[in-house]
Amino acid sequence: AQSVTQLDSQVPVFEEAPVELRCNYSSSVSVYLFWYVQYPNQGLQLLLKYLSGSTLVKGINGFEAEFNKSQTSFHLRKPSVHISDTAEYFCAVSERAGGFKTIFGAGTRLFVKA
Amino acid sequence: ETGVTQSPTHLIKTRGQQVTLRCSSQSGHNTVSWYQQALGQGPQFIFQYYREEENGRGNFPPRFSGLQFPNYSSELNVNALELDDSALYLCASSLNRGWKETQYFGPGTRLLVL
Repeated sequence: AQSVTQLDSQVPVFEEAPVELRCNYSSSVSVYLFWYVQYPNQGLQLLLKYLSGSTLVKGINGFEAEFNKSQTSFHLRKPSVHISDTAEYFCAVSERAGGFKTIFGAGTRLFVKA
Repeated sequence: ETGVTQSPTHLIKTRGQQVTLRCSSQSGHNTVSWYQQALGQGPQFIFQYYREEENGRGNFPPRFSGLQFPNYSSELNVNALELDDSALYLCASSLNRGWKETQYFGPGTRLLVL
């Protein structure tokens, strides 16, 4: 069965430091992978997605993620964070074959400190 | 700003009542999905509508139902409300069905069931 695990519920980091938010998934078929960000009292906004091709995906706001098929991971990275990056980040998986639904992880709260 | 709006923003109901939540998709988007996001959790897929027909459903009971209209609006109806239905309800529209499509989320309706 499809599942998504975000390994850290909270990640505190100082401003201008690098950050990695970890995501692992399980699926018996090929998947599409997504990262979304949710700011307080707002809906989700797509940061980036992996469909096929290059395993390194660049998104908005300086974020990037790398798809690792052998480790079934899709970790999100940013080399230098800003206070404004403080938000909840969700990893999500959709299966390529049928089963039209997207599974979200429980989220990682990124807290950027001055 | 995703161009997806939801109403109302907040709602309080009592157990056993019925509720209707509304969503207005981006113009031209023929697919809408609904999610339930409990406090501290990731969104859970409820169902998806494509061209006014249900196109997939998550693990939610039949008292959760929906409608999609030709004018890019949609509704989520929940009958016989239970305390556990308290959550943020998100709708997301996409240009087409298929799970590689980018979903554009509304800000959500926060439902409290007393």
